[in-house]
Amino acid sequence: AQSVTQLDSQVPVFEEAPVELRCNYSSSVSVYLFWYVQYPNQGLQLLLKYLSGSTLVKGINGFEAEFNKSQTSFHLRKPSVHISDTAEYFCAVSASGNKLVFGAGTILRVKS
Amino acid sequence: DTAVSQTPKYLVTQMGNDKSIKCEQNLGHDTMYWYKQDSKKFLKIMFSYNNKELIINETVPNRFSPKSPDKAHLNLHINSLELGDSAVYFCASSPSQTQGTYFGPGTRLTVT
Repeated sequence: AQSVTQLDSQVPVFEEAPVELRCNYSSSVSVYLFWYVQYPNQGLQLLLKYLSGSTLVKGINGFEAEFNKSQTSFHLRKPSVHISDTAEYFCAVSASGNKLVFGAGTILRVKS
Repeated sequence: DTAVSQTPKYLVTQMGNDKSIKCEQNLGHDTMYWYKQDSKKFLKIMFSYNNKELIINETVPNRFSPKSPDKAHLNLHINSLELGDSAVYFCASSPSQTQGTYFGPGTRLTVT
């Protein structure tokens, strides 16, 4: 079975500052890794995914994530955040059967 | 040109009632899902269908019955609603495990 731990429930950050949202996973088999964003009262939108190959993946809205197999991590980063990035971010893994196993989410609060 | 749509967006009902949520995707994907997001924003898969065939049933109570009349539709019927069923239910679809999952806007179910 797979599990995902998002280490921070909330991350406050000032506008234009860099941010890192942390994600660790556990799995006995190879997995695919995803980050989703959920704006208030909306569905989830795929930010980026890691399938194989280069460990640094770039996504939409200037986000990127780095896969680290030895540390079983897939942290999400953005060099300069905007107010509009305020949302909840979910890390997820998929090993078989297409189902996604989600972490508990991290609320990113961008302050002006 | 909505990709994954759900109706209704909000559903308020009393305990013991039976209700249905409808989902349609126009992306041509083979696999469709129902996910439940509880009051703490935790997301968990309930069901997955591939080409109208049930492939994942995550120990959901029998009161929940998904139905897929065709590849583009996956409806969720809930019998004898309970207070604990209050949540946001997301329909989703994907073309394959590696392509990511596309979520609908969600249906907020409130049972009183």
